[in-house]
Amino acid sequence: EVQLVESGGVVVQPGGSLRLSCAASGFTFDDYAMHWVRQAPGKGLEWVSLISWDGGSTYYAGSAKGRFTISRDNSKKSLYLQMNSLRTEDTALYYCAKDKGGRPPDYYMDVWGKGTTVTVSS
Amino acid sequence: EIVLTQSPATLSLSPGEKATLSCRASQSVSSFLAWYQQKPGQAPRLLIYDASNRAAGIPARFSGSGSGTDFTLTISSLEPEDFAVYYCQQRSNWPPFTFGPGTKVDIK
Repeated sequence: EVQLVESGGVVVQPGGSLRLSCAASGFTFDDYAMHWVRQAPGKGLEWVSLISWDGGSTYYAGSAKGRFTISRDNSKKSLYLQMNSLRTEDTALYYCAKDKGGRPPDYYMDVWGKGTTVTVSS
Repeated sequence: EIVLTQSPATLSLSPGEKATLSCRASQSVSSFLAWYQQKPGQAPRLLIYDASNRAAGIPARFSGSGSGTDFTLTISSLEPEDFAVYYCQQRSNWPPFTFGPGTKVDIK
């Protein structure tokens, strides 16, 4: 079964840092680009970041650029999101999602985890 | 950044009725548009990609159409499990990939 399981979400103070993880199983992880997408409470979906299959290319939403870093460890079938200088507006459920396309990617998200909750509050 | 607008915000229908959801892009996205379904407390699920292709395992009552700036998701006959929020997403001009604000389909 194809599965993604996020972890690492906690309550953190503004200005703090956090690293989210996503463990993948049931598919050849290093064949696929991976995304992070977030959803603020009661709001819609916001794409956060993308990493290529080999980690060589990374992309960010404007809200994440310069503060968040996406990375992956293909040997551990894991995806990460390092989040620094956190703001109250970063409070959200963070999903990792598999790109549907493989090599090359097609930038649609066909498998999603259940998400991990990040709360930024003093 | 391409802005996606969805209408209506809420669609109130009965089981068995046809649902027609709209997504409009601020500039052409060709056919590079997807639709996702999200039920309360669940992750989104990919329904349609490249405007009209059903994703794996998606029932035939879901169909997508459109190109350029105007797109439609049609649910031919609503089943009880179809009451959810639906989002469109473009992958034409990125970063960022952008989502629409969603259309909630609820039970009349």
